[in-house]
Amino acid sequence: DVKVTQSSRYLVKRTGEKVFLECVQDMDHENMFWYRQDPGLGLRLIYFSYDVKMKEKGDIPEGYSVSREKKERFSLILESASTNQTSMYLCASSSAQGVYEQYFGPGTRLTVT
Amino acid sequence: AQSVTQLGSHVSVSEGALVLLRCNYSSSVPPYLFWYVQYPNQGLQLLLKYTTGATLVKGINGFEAEFKKSETSFHLTKPSAHMSDAAEYFCAVKGGGYQKVTFGTGTKLQVIP
Repeated sequence: DVKVTQSSRYLVKRTGEKVFLECVQDMDHENMFWYRQDPGLGLRLIYFSYDVKMKEKGDIPEGYSVSREKKERFSLILESASTNQTSMYLCASSSAQGVYEQYFGPGTRLTVT
Repeated sequence: AQSVTQLGSHVSVSEGALVLLRCNYSSSVPPYLFWYVQYPNQGLQLLLKYTTGATLVKGINGFEAEFKKSETSFHLTKPSAHMSDAAEYFCAVKGGGYQKVTFGTGTKLQVIP
């Protein structure tokens, strides 16, 4: 059974803190993605990676960075958390072959106070 | 460029009634189309996908969708709603060689007993 796991389901951080969100997939997928989900806005792509150490900006990269040192792991970093980054964060992965359907983790609900 | 429009952010149906969730897309190349479902506090799960071939696609939990190129639509249907269908549904499109998938803003389905 395919699996994408995220390090935390719920996280509360203070403004200005550096925040790390971790994502691990066990499907040997080349592609990994970070989205944020907000009511009425759907899923918005923050960053994606198509290979180890490779990354591309998505639609809303400002205030975020990413790291992919190993194929199975993709980290999202909030350099200095702000209240407008309170959101649900979803990680996904997909194969670079075939249809590119994405498999999602359970999400991390981040609250920045 | 590619985009997705989901008509209706909230849809209510009675248990046993037809479910119809609307999705229109734009893509400069023949698209791959997806429907995902998200249950409360969970990640997204693939319901069904269209790639090529048969335009009527069957998915899990009795859902199906029809690709209509002339209408640029990919509406999701289920003949008889069940209480367990209450969730948020996302339509998504992938066009071209670029590996990014664009998601709609979602439709929350409420099933009334």
